[in-house]
Amino acid sequence: RKEVEQDPGPFNVPEGATVAFNCTYSNSASQSFFWYRQDCRKEPKLLMSVYSSGNEDGRFTAQLNRASQYISLLIRDSKLSDSATYLCVVTRYNDMRFGAGTRLTVKP
Amino acid sequence: DAGVTQSPTHLIKTRGQQVTLRCSPKSGHDTVSWYQQALGQGPQFIFQYYEEEERQRGNFPDRFSGHQFPNYSSELNVNALLLGDSALYLCASSLGLAGGPYTDTQYFGPGTRLTVL
Repeated sequence: RKEVEQDPGPFNVPEGATVAFNCTYSNSASQSFFWYRQDCRKEPKLLMSVYSSGNEDGRFTAQLNRASQYISLLIRDSKLSDSATYLCVVTRYNDMRFGAGTRLTVKP
Repeated sequence: DAGVTQSPTHLIKTRGQQVTLRCSPKSGHDTVSWYQQALGQGPQFIFQYYEEEERQRGNFPDRFSGHQFPNYSSELNVNALLLGDSALYLCASSLGLAGGPYTDTQYFGPGTRLTVL
């Protein structure tokens, strides 16, 4: 079993749709949690950190459930520019473990 | 403010050869981590350098080695290249947090795409 598992995707949604990504992790000692975004053939870029209390950044909402070892990302009112691969990241000390990513395509 | 830079952008090698990849961290950062990203996969942690020493290592063979220089830049060396080493190699820099083994948020460079024939 992989340490970080994500929805395989791909997700193809129309503009304006709401889409949710899920991620589970196996190491209960994990300390920090993030969502990164990666455009085709580009480097990953930090989208947002994830906290147990939940956090929101504009159209993006992230949530962490430590008891279930589950992380989510919700994107509301999808834009064409949201098309990318979304990577779930779990860290313990300096070791960042990435999921394989979920590809999102937003269509007009 | 220059971000993380990597060189070269692309590289083609043959099996058995050796390769050196280079990374300059973001200004103000002192910690460099290296990742391997195969096609269709997430990045896999290779190792991290802090204060010119390897601080942590992922599950990669000894063929993968590195170095950090006093100016915080870093090199990744891979010996005896295999076809399976073909991947995007990403460098990420961060700031080591005082008093512990942790680092702040990591920022990635554009990567070096290595093809092994």
